[in-house]
Amino acid sequence: QKEVEQNSGPLSVPEGAIASLNCTYSDRGSQSFFWYRQYSGKSPELIMSIYSNGDKEDGRFTAQLNKASQYVSLLIRDSQPSDSATYLCAVNGVTGGGNKLTFGTGTQLKVEL
Amino acid sequence: DTGVSQDPRHKITKRGQNVTFRCDPISEHNRLYWYRQTLGQGPEFLTYFQNEAQLEKSRLLSDRFSAERPKGSFSTLEIQRTEQGDSAMYLCASSPTSGGEYYNEQFFGPGTRLTVL
Repeated sequence: QKEVEQNSGPLSVPEGAIASLNCTYSDRGSQSFFWYRQYSGKSPELIMSIYSNGDKEDGRFTAQLNKASQYVSLLIRDSQPSDSATYLCAVNGVTGGGNKLTFGTGTQLKVEL
Repeated sequence: DTGVSQDPRHKITKRGQNVTFRCDPISEHNRLYWYRQTLGQGPEFLTYFQNEAQLEKSRLLSDRFSAERPKGSFSTLEIQRTEQGDSAMYLCASSPTSGGEYYNEQFFGPGTRLTVL
């Protein structure tokens, strides 16, 4: 079982719709959770961080964390073509992992006109 | 712009050659990380510094790889006797040690793309 799992996609949504991206993790010792956006050929860009159960909203983005289910998600409201990218879920604090981030393989999002 | 910078952005080398990459973190960040990313995969942790101390190194990291951060500011990553399997994007990230729950938000540089022929 991979430590951080994401559906690779592509996930296609129409412009203006809500995109829902999901991530599960295996280690219950995980403490911090991050979403990065990565455009093709570019480096990851941090867009959201979440540390406690519940929702955290920042503009069009909402991160949701459920530690009991070991599940973290990212919602993008009013999706725009510029949101088309790969979204990486990252987890920190995996047991014995110190401060390193463990990443999923990413979900490719396509926002269609 | 005071973000993380990396140099060079691209490097093409022949198998067996040594290469060295540089990373300059965000100035107030004490923690510096190196990751490697191949196509279709998420970044994979290589090593981590707090100030000048190398605190963690991936078990997957070959002894051909070495990293330094001599003065606790910039860092270098050297790969000796490069192999074709070393071709990847090498990413550097930094994070602050203060700031409460935000202390481990990591910010990435633009990366160095290595191609080994």
